[in-house]
Parts: sequence; structure tokens; C-alpha cells
Amino acid sequence: DIQMTQSPSSLSASVGDRVTITCRASQSISNYLNWYQQEPRKAPKLLIYGAFSLQSGVPSRFSGSGSGTDFTLTISSLQPEDFATYYCQQTDSTPYTFGQGTKLEIK
Amino acid sequence: EVQLMESGGDLVQPGGSLRLSCAASGFTFSNYNMNWVRQAPGKGLEWLSYIGSASSTIFYADSVKGRFTISRDNGKNSLFLQMNSLRDEDTAVYYCARALQGYRYGRGGMDVWGQGTTVTVSS
Repeated sequence: DIQMTQSPSSLSASVGDRVTITCRASQSISNYLNWYQQEPRKAPKLLIYGAFSLQSGVPSRFSGSGSGTDFTLTISSLQPEDFATYYCQQTDSTPYTFGQGTKLEIK
Repeated sequence: EVQLMESGGDLVQPGGSLRLSCAASGFTFSNYNMNWVRQAPGKGLEWLSYIGSASSTIFYADSVKGRFTISRDNGKNSLFLQMNSLRDEDTAVYYCARALQGYRYGRGGMDVWGQGTTVTVSS
């Protein structure tokens, strides 16, 4: 199975900050990497698919990059509604594993 | 409105069985591949299973292979997860999720999620 490792596991930041979350795959996954946002007690929401494609309706302050084994999610200017937990997921091969999550908290 | 709604979650004893359902509305269900994902209390997301639009392709995570069965009824716009031989570690919120169109085998991620249904395995 492909292991996905996110860093950091938690992060404190302020409204307006630029934030980057990293996801590393244990082997190459081409660009089959997706990012999700999950607010407490809610279902996850797809933000980025195919490593860098912005899902419809997602604000342009979210962006994704990377290929192979190293990927990043960047939020260019944090908004109050962005404080949530973020997960990466590889869909290169089954089982489609998720990272352990990055909890983004208000500083 | 595009919507998925899970049902069937319950308290069940170890070794027991449960069948989850997911009702789809607001889109042409038969055109979409589907998934089940779960989240144990306070833990991260775990992908469980995928089924193609015509049920011809099915994948499982090792943790549920041989115990869980995914299926669908396109005439009833419904997705199912039959869960047998349940264990304590199967306690979780179970989500059904639609695979993003345009990618084979669900490789584009999951763009629509239900609200989840809670399964508790305990004696």
C-alpha cells in the first residue's frame, strides 16, 4: 500500500497568513493526488484534484502543486472559514490511502 | 440539488452484520462511480471500497475485504454496503461519496459526499 505522510500534523496561523501543507507519498503517484477540507462534524469537501486542478466552487486562494512523491496545498490568504482539517489522498492505486490530516487552528 | 444520504447505521454486537444504504438524488446516478469512506471517532479518513457505474469494477481496502460487500441498484439510485463479521475497530462514521467524473476507477477523487451514518460495534 502507498503511505501518505502529511506535515505538519497541526498548524496555528492567523487570518491573512499564507499557509502551506505538505504531503509525501511512499512511492511515485504521478499527479493522482487530491486534497480535502473537513470542518468539525461535517463531511469532507474536495478542494483540489489531480494535484493542481481546483474543484468547481472552491475559492482561488487554494492551490495545489507537485508530482511524483511530493505535493503541497497552499492557502494564499487565510480566511476565518478555512480553519479546519485538511487531508491529502492518493488515487494512483488501490487502496486509495489518505494522509493523517493537518489541523489548521487559529493563532 | 445534488445529494447523497446514508442510512442504516446502528449499534451492533461484534460478529454481527449491518447493511448501509446511500440514496442519491439530483444527478444521474447510473453515470457515476461511487465509493465508501469511513472515519473512526477522532481519527482520519479511510477509503473502503469503490464500485464502477455498471458494477463491473469493484475494489476493497484490505481491512474490509472478505467481510464487506459493495453493491448498487441504478434503478433505485442507491448504493449499498453489506458489512459482516463486524469488529470493534469498524466503529466509525460511514460516508458514501461520488467519484469525480472523467477519471477511470475513481482516480479523480470524490466530489460529493453524504452526511454520514454512524456504526457502533460494541457488546
